[in-house]
Amino acid sequence: SQELEQSPQSLIVQEGKNLTINCTSSKTLYGLYWYKQKYGEGLIFLMMLQKGGEEKSHEKITAKLDEKKQQSSLHITASQPSHAGIYLCGAVSGGSNYKLTFGKGTLLTVNP
Amino acid sequence: KAGVTQTPRYLIKTRGQQVTLSCSPISGHRSVSWYQQTPGQGLQFLFEYFSETQRNKGNFPGRFSGRQFSNSRSEMNVSTLELGDSALYLCASSRWSGGGNEQFFGPGTRLTVL
Repeated sequence: SQELEQSPQSLIVQEGKNLTINCTSSKTLYGLYWYKQKYGEGLIFLMMLQKGGEEKSHEKITAKLDEKKQQSSLHITASQPSHAGIYLCGAVSGGSNYKLTFGKGTLLTVNP
Repeated sequence: KAGVTQTPRYLIKTRGQQVTLSCSPISGHRSVSWYQQTPGQGLQFLFEYFSETQRNKGNFPGRFSGRQFSNSRSEMNVSTLELGDSALYLCASSRWSGGGNEQFFGPGTRLTVL
């Protein structure tokens, strides 16, 4: 079965600093999702990547899927306290069986 | 456009009881997936329904079941509750089944089993 490893597990940054979160898959990624979650709440959809080398941006958040499609990175520029939360990557297994497998998440704290 | 709604938001049950959770997808979405989130195991896939049919199932015991109605609303049932079933249960909807479709999550139902 597919496994996703996120690094780091937690991250504390000063407001205004840039940061990167990585998501590495044990198998080829056919679709990679990034979500943000406030503790105990639902997931907020950030971005979906499907093609190797694809890069998407939304406001100050940029996500990339590497060419070999086994790793994705999420980069936040000039972090703000509103960026704080748990970032989760989710991957679609290939084939006809569709289910999302998630990483354990990265807890981001942004200090003002 | 209304998002995914889940009811109830919080629930407290005792061991051995059963519970039913409800999920209303975004209008026009026909796929509903359920997930269990715990601190130890993280977010795990339970099952997915599309057009009233279960399409995929995760590795959970038969005590966990679900169904989907003709209006795409879905319910999840857990029978003979155990302490380990305490978790945040999330549902997500998408327009179609299969990879490549954006999944939108509801706020979750926090289940506590005493």
